[in-house]
Amino acid sequence: DVKVTQSSRYLVKRTGEKVFLECVQDMDHENMFWYRQDPGLGLRLIYFSYDVKMKEKGDIPEGYSVSREKKERFSLILESASTNQTSMYLCASSPRGGGHQPQHFGDGTRLSIL
Amino acid sequence: DQQVKQNSPSLSVQEGRISILNCDYTNSMFDYFLWYKKYPAEGPTFLISISSIKDKNEDGRFTVFLNKSAKHLSLHIVPSQPGDSAVYFCAANMNTGFQKLVFGTGTRLLVSP
Repeated sequence: DVKVTQSSRYLVKRTGEKVFLECVQDMDHENMFWYRQDPGLGLRLIYFSYDVKMKEKGDIPEGYSVSREKKERFSLILESASTNQTSMYLCASSPRGGGHQPQHFGDGTRLSIL
Repeated sequence: DQQVKQNSPSLSVQEGRISILNCDYTNSMFDYFLWYKKYPAEGPTFLISISSIKDKNEDGRFTVFLNKSAKHLSLHIVPSQPGDSAVYFCAANMNTGFQKLVFGTGTRLLVSP
């Protein structure tokens, strides 16, 4: 079974802090993704990566950056946290291939910015 | 601009009956559609998918129907079970190789005994 592990289930940070969310997958997947989930808005793609050191902006990249130095690890960085970044953050991975390949999700990090 | 829409935020069904969850999309370039199920405090899990060249895909109790002319798909769960109570997300993808999914807003299904 694919395992996508997010380093924290719950995180509380203060406005202006630099925040790191870590994600590790164990299935040698090429693609990795970061989403945020908000009530009434579904899942929205922040950034994705299709290879080591490669990154692509998703639909809502503002205020975020990412890092992928190793294939199994994809980090989401909030450069200067703000209260509107309070959300559930979900990491996912998938193998390279066609659009039928499902993405496998971690259990999420609930981030609160005070 | 919401390209994938789930217009029913919630649905209540009795155990043993059919659950029908609906999804509409606007982008005719989508060619794969997927359904995910999400329990509280867990990540979404893949349920079933369908290619745009098909109009039906079945897996056990779960069947997805696609009507391309109407840009509409639906997920049927028969028979519904209390363990099916979860939030269901519809997602769509263009076959660009990046697997960039566009998700709907979700429908919360409650199956009562």
